[in-house]
Amino acid sequence: EAGVAQSPRYKIIEKRQSVAFWCNPISGHATLYWYQQILGQGPKLLIQFQNNGVVDDSQLPKDRFSAERLKGVDSTLKIQPAKLEDSAVYLCASSFQGGNQPQHFGDGTRLSIL
Amino acid sequence: GESVGLHLPTLSVQEGDNSIINCAYSNSASDYFIWYKQESGKGPQFIIDIRSNMDKRQGQRVTVLLNKTVKHLSLQIAATQPGDSAVYFCAETNYNQGGKLIFGQGTELSVKP
Repeated sequence: EAGVAQSPRYKIIEKRQSVAFWCNPISGHATLYWYQQILGQGPKLLIQFQNNGVVDDSQLPKDRFSAERLKGVDSTLKIQPAKLEDSAVYLCASSFQGGNQPQHFGDGTRLSIL
Repeated sequence: GESVGLHLPTLSVQEGDNSIINCAYSNSASDYFIWYKQESGKGPQFIIDIRSNMDKRQGQRVTVLLNKTVKHLSLQIAATQPGDSAVYFCAETNYNQGGKLIFGQGTELSVKP
């Protein structure tokens, strides 16, 4: 079974530029999550999708972050404009149906803001 | 507020010894817990999970213990190997949160050959 795929693996941009990350979840997984992991900390949920609908985006900085999962499969996360504090690893995870089920993570995109 | 924390940020063990990684959680409503292993440059890897209706669950070389009375979770790794060196996170949630995981800070496990 293929795991969660993410791209790119690394991205370096200057502050105020925009950036986008892509995620393809495990086949058949209805629930998709985007997490932000700052160095030395545990991941923090940004947004959760169930199929193509948003379940929880309470911790997404909506003035600069946006995400979509138009066809209920792959997803993109965008930051515009980026701030220095956005430097982090952005992780995508998926689970079969959400709720109390294991979430499986991709290897993330490491974002550096100059 | 919600939080999941770890007692020890670093743990160093000898190869072949057993390792115990501890975690305290503060939300008494949490009913599902997961341990993840994260190696450098990789995403968290699922190790084992446990639901609140259990107090112990065993996997291959790993055992998770849940003590709801004191809101404590532990991960035991038997016969620790160099490949076990990584950061270990506990995470908690409850069904009403739809799967939103709250992660702790992490414990770095270092295995000495």
